[in-house]
Amino acid sequence: ETGVTQSPTHLIKTRGQQVTLRCSSQSGHNTVSWYQQALGQGPQFIFQYYREEENGRGNFPPRFSGLQFPNYSSELNVNALELDDSALYLCASSYRGDYGYTFGSGTRLTVV
Amino acid sequence: KNEVEQSPQNLTAQEGEFITINCSYSVGISALHWLQQHPGGGIVSLFMLSSGKKKHGRLIATINIQEKHSSLHITASHPRDSAVYICAVPFSSNTGKLIFGQGTTLQVKP
Repeated sequence: ETGVTQSPTHLIKTRGQQVTLRCSSQSGHNTVSWYQQALGQGPQFIFQYYREEENGRGNFPPRFSGLQFPNYSSELNVNALELDDSALYLCASSYRGDYGYTFGSGTRLTVV
Repeated sequence: KNEVEQSPQNLTAQEGEFITINCSYSVGISALHWLQQHPGGGIVSLFMLSSGKKKHGRLIATINIQEKHSSLHITASHPRDSAVYICAVPFSSNTGKLIFGQGTTLQVKP
């Protein structure tokens, strides 16, 4: 049974650029949720993808978008990066969004 | 008032001490997660519980659904237990939205 893998682990981007973060889901899971964790704060829900469709979204602007692929892996895309986007981005997979979440180790994004 | 509140926010203990971290919540359905996060690291799920008590090694988690309160206990604490402990509650079923507490930073000194 594989866990959740996120890539890359660290990333530095310039303000205004675009970034794509990737997440593989755990075997048997069909739902991926993305979270943003600013330094010293708890994670904030960005959105969830279930069977390739967005299924729930938090209070994030449209420049945060995502995809889920047939193998249930997922991407988080952020356009027009702002300095405040600097954070740890976590993904978690589950089966149907119920209960048993497995978290990845996160991608640390720094926007300069 | 936060929807998920933890106490204490910071905790320093000596190795071997019994530790309790509390979590109260005002939203969510009848399940709660206890998570562990090491500095700069990702999140590890410790427990998911919807009733009663669960035990894994030196960790024990209890929940009282009626009172919307949960506790995480660490017996015979060790410096390697030093981490941030977070409780999280699903906002509702099938949305994947977890509402997180602010975390409890635990430092166990040798």
